[in-house]
Amino acid sequence: QVQLQESGPGLVKPSGTLSLTCAVSGGSISSSNWWSWVRQPPGKGLEWIGEIYHSGSTNYNPSLKSRVTISVDKSKNQFSLKLSSVTAADTAVYYCARGGSGAAQDAFDIWGQGTMVTVSS
Amino acid sequence: DIQMTQSPSSLSASVGDRVTITCRASQSISSYLNWYQQKPGKAPKLLIYAASSLQSGVPSRFSGSGSGTDFTLTISSLQPEDFATYYCQQSYSTPRTFGQGTRLEIK
Repeated sequence: QVQLQESGPGLVKPSGTLSLTCAVSGGSISSSNWWSWVRQPPGKGLEWIGEIYHSGSTNYNPSLKSRVTISVDKSKNQFSLKLSSVTAADTAVYYCARGGSGAAQDAFDIWGQGTMVTVSS
Repeated sequence: DIQMTQSPSSLSASVGDRVTITCRASQSISSYLNWYQQKPGKAPKLLIYAASSLQSGVPSRFSGSGSGTDFTLTISSLQPEDFATYYCQQSYSTPRTFGQGTRLEIK
């Protein structure tokens, strides 16, 4: 079955750029699904960052739009997140997730295990 | 953005209890409402999609109902493994938004 795995640096300096990759295994990123990034600050709730389709179409959370870029690499079956100008408020566990297709109506049916990113000097 | 409001924010219950969590959307979202369970240190797990459809592998004691703006998640008979935090989420439009979560604790 499809599995997702996040990877990237666990520590980013303030004002720097956070870069993460989500590898898709057991299925194709070119399937009829949107692929999302969701984050969760320590002890807090879930925040959707944005999503991408294999065609390259994207949707972003307006609260982060000016700092976010999500891209897809079909040759590597993965998608990536870049978040620029980070501050301590961007410290969180970052998850990648698959939006379900058809009757699942874009529910996040598969999640990565999450990766903790800390913004600190 | 569509705001999702859950109630209660926390809940204490006993094994075997019937529990209901509610979620209200700031505008109509038809049946584009999903429920997740999250345990400490773990990724969220999809329980219910499209307001009332049970995700494969999820026990039948979980059920969802509602449409428009008001939704409920019901656990018919609490089991020890059900103590967790529950989130609702709308997939009607972007940005996708989540409720603030309901923490279900053991009484």
